[in-house]
Amino acid sequence: GAGVSQSPSNKVTEKGKDVELRCDPISGHTALYWYRQSLGQGLEFLIYFQGNSAPDKSGLPSDRFSAERTGGSVSTLTIQRTQQEDSAVYLCASSLDGGGPQTQYFGPGTRLLVL
Amino acid sequence: QKEVEQNSGPLSVPEGAIASLNCTYSDRGSQSFFWYRQYSGKSPELIMSIYSNGDKEDGRFTAQLNKASQYVSLLIRDSQPSDSATYLCAVRPGDMRFGAGTRLTVKP
Repeated sequence: GAGVSQSPSNKVTEKGKDVELRCDPISGHTALYWYRQSLGQGLEFLIYFQGNSAPDKSGLPSDRFSAERTGGSVSTLTIQRTQQEDSAVYLCASSLDGGGPQTQYFGPGTRLLVL
Repeated sequence: QKEVEQNSGPLSVPEGAIASLNCTYSDRGSQSFFWYRQYSGKSPELIMSIYSNGDKEDGRFTAQLNKASQYVSLLIRDSQPSDSATYLCAVRPGDMRFGAGTRLTVKP
């Protein structure tokens, strides 16, 4: 694939609903990252996958957030019982390998609005 | 203390001037350092990467790294209005940690 793709590009949901965000990394990239960026803020690290395993889940803000990656490719970030403070842009990035000086390439993001 | 710190700005420079963006980090084990540019409403894109102490130049951009001082900077020479964006510093002790970004405005 040409780059990292994410879907949906925009999501509006009601408070209390569950949402699922999808990331399709660059083909061959083994490392995958999820970040959250609130309006006017920097990037907040959520979780990192190396292959299908997640060595670092330290950034997940609460147990309402979970993520999985299957087949070493597509990843899904799930937010249960959404709250208004979950509104943000969720960015996914991938890199060739999780170790060493590998550059991360970002997807276009999913803009989530919780009403 | 935040892992990666940047002045939030905004930093305003006239067209043609040198813009200097600074970043400090807390993890002495960090080995890889990156500067990303993010236009409003867009995703970050890589500008420069640097791994060794000293300067690294790429066109109008120069990254400077001083591991002893835990300091990395980005210089933009001959600044253009199209350089107006938020610049994110990222540091890699393991996974990637980002600063909050410095907003740069280049005035024509």
